[in-house]
Amino acid sequence: AQSVTQLGSHVSVSEGALVLLRCNYSSSVPPYLFWYVQYPNQGLQLLLKYTSAATLVKGINGFEAEFKKSETSFHLTKPSAHMSDAAEYFCAVSSAGNQFYFGTGTSLTVIP
Amino acid sequence: EPEVTQTPSHQVTQMGQEVILRCVPISNHLYFYWYRQILGQKVEFLVSFYNNEISEKSEIFDDQFSVERPDGSNFTLKIRSTKLEDSAMYFCASSPGQGAYNEQFFGPGTRLTVL
Repeated sequence: AQSVTQLGSHVSVSEGALVLLRCNYSSSVPPYLFWYVQYPNQGLQLLLKYTSAATLVKGINGFEAEFKKSETSFHLTKPSAHMSDAAEYFCAVSSAGNQFYFGTGTSLTVIP
Repeated sequence: EPEVTQTPSHQVTQMGQEVILRCVPISNHLYFYWYRQILGQKVEFLVSFYNNEISEKSEIFDDQFSVERPDGSNFTLKIRSTKLEDSAMYFCASSPGQGAYNEQFFGPGTRLTVL
């Protein structure tokens, strides 16, 4: 069975500060991992994905995530937060079939 | 840039009524999905659809739910007799191919409120 846990339903950072959004996964087989972002009144947009190539994955808008098998983690980071990063972020795992398993989401607030 | 669209953005209905949620997937995609998110909970998989038939469904997707691709562009989710607990945001998604590594492209969602 596959699942993800996102620690922290709400994260606040100051503009220019490091963004760290946590995601831990559970999977009985090698996983594919995704981070999606949802801006208000919009659909889920793919930020980045891990598909067993490089463990450090770079995505759009300056975000990146590192796959750590030993820690079963896939945390999302960005060195310097921007006001436009305020959104809901979802981690998801998939390993068989087409079904994605999502976390509960983390709402990111950026304080000016 | 092509995108998945969904209508309506918000649907309010009375318990026991039928609702149809509509989606237009990206035109060259072959796989279609419905997910839902009850307020404060996880985004949950409902069903995937390929070649005019259901390929996977979750335990949530019981006999009250059905999906259809009535023409070459629309993909619909029907709930026959809505219950209060069906109130949620429903997301449609599509992908060009199958396999766990394929990105799914999501629509903006339909918020269903059952009174």
